[in-house]
Amino acid sequence: GNSVTQMEGPVTLSEEAFLTINCTYTATGYPSLFWYVQYPGEGLQLLLKATKADDKGSNKGFEATYRKETTSFHLEKGSVQVSDSAVYFCALRGSSNTGKLIFGQGTTLQVKP
Amino acid sequence: GAGVSQSPSNKVTEKGKDVELRCDPISGHTALYWYRQSLGQGLEFLIYFQGNSAPDKSGLPSDRFSAERTGGSVSTLTIQRTQQEDSAVYLCASSLRPDSDEQFFGPGTRLTVL
Repeated sequence: GNSVTQMEGPVTLSEEAFLTINCTYTATGYPSLFWYVQYPGEGLQLLLKATKADDKGSNKGFEATYRKETTSFHLEKGSVQVSDSAVYFCALRGSSNTGKLIFGQGTTLQVKP
Repeated sequence: GAGVSQSPSNKVTEKGKDVELRCDPISGHTALYWYRQSLGQGLEFLIYFQGNSAPDKSGLPSDRFSAERTGGSVSTLTIQRTQQEDSAVYLCASSLRPDSDEQFFGPGTRLTVL
């Protein structure tokens, strides 16, 4: 079945550091890939998406590229801020498509000033 | 309302009791999802409703769990004879269509089974 694996946290960085959170997936066909973020005390919200191979999703300075050859969708940001502290979830929606999302375990990011 | 709402926000119950959790999706959204967020299992899919189609119940962990969606809008998730391992945050999400790229999540119901 479809699955998502993302790096375990917590990840602790200083402000302005470079961020990478690794995400790999297993799926048949051509899934759509997402990063969702959960800020402290808030609900899950979509951060960025990519729906086909080689697409790059981007939002709020974050980027992720859909790499079919490595079945990966790593999240990157060049310079993190304290306000980026949150839990980040990688997710896929299978191509057969009931619409349900399969999530990774989540990675907690803490950015220190 | 503007977003997905869920009630109650917190529920504490005793082992063996039944609980009902409610979700109000965004108006006009045809697809509704329930997920569960727990320490040991991460974020896992439970059930999905789309219009008048039969729901996808493939994520329900046991037959103690059931859900319905009345009139294509409000949904209730019922857990019968609750167990301590049911303790989790139950999240509801909705989307305009099943193939919509964004699901909008509610704030969740935190269930604690004593």
